[in-house]
Amino acid sequence: EAGVAQSPRYKIIEKRQSVAFWCNPISGHATLYWYQQILGQGPKLLIQFQNNGVVDDSQLPKDRFSAERLKGVDSTLKIQPAKLEDSAVYLCASSLIRDGPYEQYFGPGTRLTVT
Amino acid sequence: ELKVEQNPLFLSMQEGKNYTIYCNYSTTSDRLYWYRQDPGKSLESLFVLLSNGAVKQEGRLMASLDTKARLSTLHITAAVHDLSATYFCAVDDYDSNYQLIWGAGTKLIIKP
Repeated sequence: EAGVAQSPRYKIIEKRQSVAFWCNPISGHATLYWYQQILGQGPKLLIQFQNNGVVDDSQLPKDRFSAERLKGVDSTLKIQPAKLEDSAVYLCASSLIRDGPYEQYFGPGTRLTVT
Repeated sequence: ELKVEQNPLFLSMQEGKNYTIYCNYSTTSDRLYWYRQDPGKSLESLFVLLSNGAVKQEGRLMASLDTKARLSTLHITAAVHDLSATYFCAVDDYDSNYQLIWGAGTKLIIKP
């Protein structure tokens, strides 16, 4: 079974530029999560999708971050414009269903450096 | 608001020794997860604990859950260098769309 795929793996941009990350979850997983992980910290949830609907985006900085999950499969996360404090690893995770006791499976992450 | 606290946050130990990482959480939940993260890598699921008294073991790692005490432990037996990593616990928050609330992580270094 293929795992969660993410691209790119690394990205370096200057502040005020824009960037987009892509995630393909495990086949059949209805729930998709985007996390931000700053070095030395635990993951912070940015947005949670159930199929193609948003379940929770309360911690997403909506003035600069946006995310979509068209057709309930792949998802993209965009930052525009980027700030220095956005430097982090962006992790995508998926789980089988939202209400079940199923662990989340994580992709390899995208390491973003904003200079 | 559900809070999750891990301790210690950093642990350096010798190979062959035993040690325990603690994960306390502040409100009712009976689903707790342990993950491992190697430097520069993603998060790997280790254990899913779904009820009070749950105990799971994999190799030299054993995790347990006491929902009444709101405490989970990750016990390392006869540590080996390959177990060096950061270990996170996370708790299902029923009041927040079943989000996982994460501990800060325990960085474990095992010296030969």
